[in-house]
Amino acid sequence: DAGITQSPRYKITETGRQVTLMCHQTWSHSYMFWYRQDLGHGLRLIYYSAAADITDKGEVPDGYVVSRSKTENFPLTLESATRSQTSVYFCASSNPGQGDTEAFFGQGTRLTVV
Amino acid sequence: AQSVTQLDSQVPVFEEAPVELRCNYSSSVSVYLFWYVQYPNQGLQLLLKYLSGSTLVKGINGFEAEFNKSQTSFHLRKPSVHISDTAEYFCAVSGYNTGNQFYFGTGTSLTVIP
Repeated sequence: DAGITQSPRYKITETGRQVTLMCHQTWSHSYMFWYRQDLGHGLRLIYYSAAADITDKGEVPDGYVVSRSKTENFPLTLESATRSQTSVYFCASSNPGQGDTEAFFGQGTRLTVV
Repeated sequence: AQSVTQLDSQVPVFEEAPVELRCNYSSSVSVYLFWYVQYPNQGLQLLLKYLSGSTLVKGINGFEAEFNKSQTSFHLRKPSVHISDTAEYFCAVSGYNTGNQFYFGTGTSLTVIP
């Protein structure tokens, strides 16, 4: 089905483990984003990418790594998970150059670090 | 950079009553403005957006918002709410020509009381 998909939907991991959250979009949107959602903080931008091989930090990048070798994929890696990274993670895309000025969101990944 | 303030974290309202969810933004550049809705365990869905032109913007599900540049506000309104409108609502801002980053408020939880 077309759109933006995240996997897995739910993940439990242990402190210190590396974990990767996947994001795939079928629209060929230029921009992709990773947000985390926490109670009382709304959505905070972790990293974003303007195109393949171009990434930049957002508000809360520490502890996270991203890559974008292909336009359609934007994985987010927690190099050594900590309890403070327990959150709901959302991937989004947009394409302002083609008129899609808003962000389109995936369904989210609920990550619990124990 | 841009920022968004949603003045009410929780808004209870009786069914069929009107509602206004408040949003103020701060930006040194011209902006696009958005309202998103999030139902439990789902991603964010666009309600409406302001890009330019008419300051009154109509969206889905009977919602509308008015852009007020002098007050830097973008309040969301609905004349008569339904039980199904119970959800979390997020205001967001994106500055054009500033990297297309989206900044979100902390959200307003709307509860419609039967």
